[in-house]
Amino acid sequence: NAGVTQTPKFQVLKTGQSMTLQCAQDMNHEYMSWYRQDPGMGLRLIHYSVGAGITDQGEVPNGYNVSRSTTEDFPLRLLSAAPSQTSVYFCASSYSDQYEQYFGPGTRLTVT
Amino acid sequence: AQKITQTQPGMFVQEKEAVTLDCTYDTSDPSYGLFWYKQPSSGEMIFLIYQGSYDQQNATEGRYSLNFQKARKSANLVISASQLGDSAMYFCAMRVSGANNLFFGTGTRLTVIP
Repeated sequence: NAGVTQTPKFQVLKTGQSMTLQCAQDMNHEYMSWYRQDPGMGLRLIHYSVGAGITDQGEVPNGYNVSRSTTEDFPLRLLSAAPSQTSVYFCASSYSDQYEQYFGPGTRLTVT
Repeated sequence: AQKITQTQPGMFVQEKEAVTLDCTYDTSDPSYGLFWYKQPSSGEMIFLIYQGSYDQQNATEGRYSLNFQKARKSANLVISASQLGDSAMYFCAMRVSGANNLFFGTGTRLTVIP
């Protein structure tokens, strides 16, 4: 099992550009989430999904879109990048809300 | 509202000694889970240990144990026999039943001294 994979590992964007962060898991988990980690803060939830076709907003959803067309994939789209979106982004998955979340290796995004 | 508080920004421990990392939480939901994650300098988040709110016994996983005091709303992580590889950031997190969100604390940076 590869677990949770994320691409790219690093990305630099200019303000206003758009891009998609990829996330995939091979554990057949229904639950998937996107978090961002900023210096001095814990992780904060951006969006999550409880199954294919079902997504919902987390704590900090503005400026991001998600979709879940398959159980395996959960991409995060930045619509128009802003410097405030400079952060490390983690994708996570879990079997259900009763179990631990497994995290991908993260994507370090810089917006100039 | 859910909240996790980690009051120790940094901790030092001598190799082979035990160390306790503090975590307090706040929730009005009676059903919740408490998690500890380790984040080494390489950046990945590694799950360490889980405690359910209805679990009668404290959770243990190898050298990690969770000192769960429900009345005090604390869930401290105890690492026994510290190793140099334990140097990392440690995050406490909480998940209430039915919610997908993990609420994280701000973390404690542990440094193990040889």
